[in-house]
Amino acid sequence: KNEVEQSPQNLTAQEGEFITINCSYSVGISALHWLQQHPGGGIVSLFMLSSGKKKHGRLIATINIQEKHSSLHITASHPRDSAVYICAVNSGGGADGLTFGKGTHLIIQP
Amino acid sequence: DAGVIQSPRHEVTEMGQEVTLRCKPISGHNSLFWYRQTMMRGLELLIYFNNNVPIDDSGMPEDRFSAKMPNASFSTLKIQPSEPRDSAVYFCASSNTSWGTKNTEAFFGQGTRLTVV
Repeated sequence: KNEVEQSPQNLTAQEGEFITINCSYSVGISALHWLQQHPGGGIVSLFMLSSGKKKHGRLIATINIQEKHSSLHITASHPRDSAVYICAVNSGGGADGLTFGKGTHLIIQP
Repeated sequence: DAGVIQSPRHEVTEMGQEVTLRCKPISGHNSLFWYRQTMMRGLELLIYFNNNVPIDDSGMPEDRFSAKMPNASFSTLKIQPSEPRDSAVYFCASSNTSWGTKNTEAFFGQGTRLTVV
């Protein structure tokens, strides 16, 4: 079973700061997902990646397959970015379910 | 599309009662997943279906839990009898996988918050 570790568990930053959340996993994967969960709300998929880098607006996700490590970056952070960010992986070769990290609770203060 | 629809959004029930959670996946999606989220354990996969067939139910905690997918547009997760430790948020997710595509983005419902007293 894949173990997914995220760091930090909690992060408080000021508006405008550059944010980095890290994720590492223990065994090979077929894909890695970054998810966002707002308080009391559902879960939204931000990225799915298996190599390289993806960018969407102020969000950037990178993955290093050799090092079994991924990062989620937020540029010019804003209070509306406050949420829990969850890293998850597909470990199997097919359409299997996700294994999740414990999440990073991000608070951006104005 | 309205996205993945779960019902009810909130459920409070007494210990020993049967609880049924419902999910309507996104039309055209052929994979459906049930997850549970608790403070202690975070998000965990309970079971997933592909083309209405249960593929992996190893995450189902006990025989008290059962899931069905009678057709492509509906799935249920049943707990009978319910216990206080079943209190959690239960998420349903769906995705569209096709031949040659290993993994695709998962779309989550809003979740059902279950409280067993």
